[in-house]
Amino acid sequence: DQQVKQNSPSLSVQEGRISILNCDYTNSMFDYFLWYKKYPAEGPTFLISISSIKDKNEDGRFTVFLNKSAKHLSLHIVPSQPGDSAVYFCAANPFRISATNKLIFGTGTLLAVQP
Amino acid sequence: EPEVTQTPSHQVTQMGQEVILRCVPISNHLYFYWYRQILGQKVEFLVSFYNNEISEKSEIFDDQFSVERPDGSNFTLKIRSTKLEDSAMYFCASTKDRGESPLHFGNGTRLTVT
Repeated sequence: DQQVKQNSPSLSVQEGRISILNCDYTNSMFDYFLWYKKYPAEGPTFLISISSIKDKNEDGRFTVFLNKSAKHLSLHIVPSQPGDSAVYFCAANPFRISATNKLIFGTGTLLAVQP
Repeated sequence: EPEVTQTPSHQVTQMGQEVILRCVPISNHLYFYWYRQILGQKVEFLVSFYNNEISEKSEIFDDQFSVERPDGSNFTLKIRSTKLEDSAMYFCASTKDRGESPLHFGNGTRLTVT
């Protein structure tokens, strides 16, 4: 059941450049989208989110863009830093059709930022 | 910053044994969750818990699984008779609200069933 897809399993970027991580979803009922970062042996850490009524949300070096007609979102990190190297998960929260915040995760993209 | 804590970090058990995974959610949060990640696979929702009862559960969460909030701070996941395929990372999470409220995850318990 591939409701949330991250088609790039890995991405390598030079320090200081922009990292762009992509995510596609299939269900137009999804209301709220989140990006999580995960280091090995740690739990997912919340990074940034976007409501379905917006098309952009920015927090420091991180910006999330949402294209509802294409059912696509992306996370931009600029400038990228070596400490950003981690697995990034996209997740959808269909709270309009779900009793609680039952997140549906993508498979993740491993970002490697080269010094 | 308050965080979700989970114990133990690693649990090894034999097939057929019962295990209890423990979590202390963030203190002013009202919604509690268990997720799991089998090696190489997605993070999957197991169950959500609100107001001392299960709000929602996935197909994975069968009769072998149960959750409990035995006191004002702990939230536990019990697997009654473990199977090899229960080996995974189990993550506890909590949120203050439903809706546009991000989940905060603990660092997980690695369960290995031999």
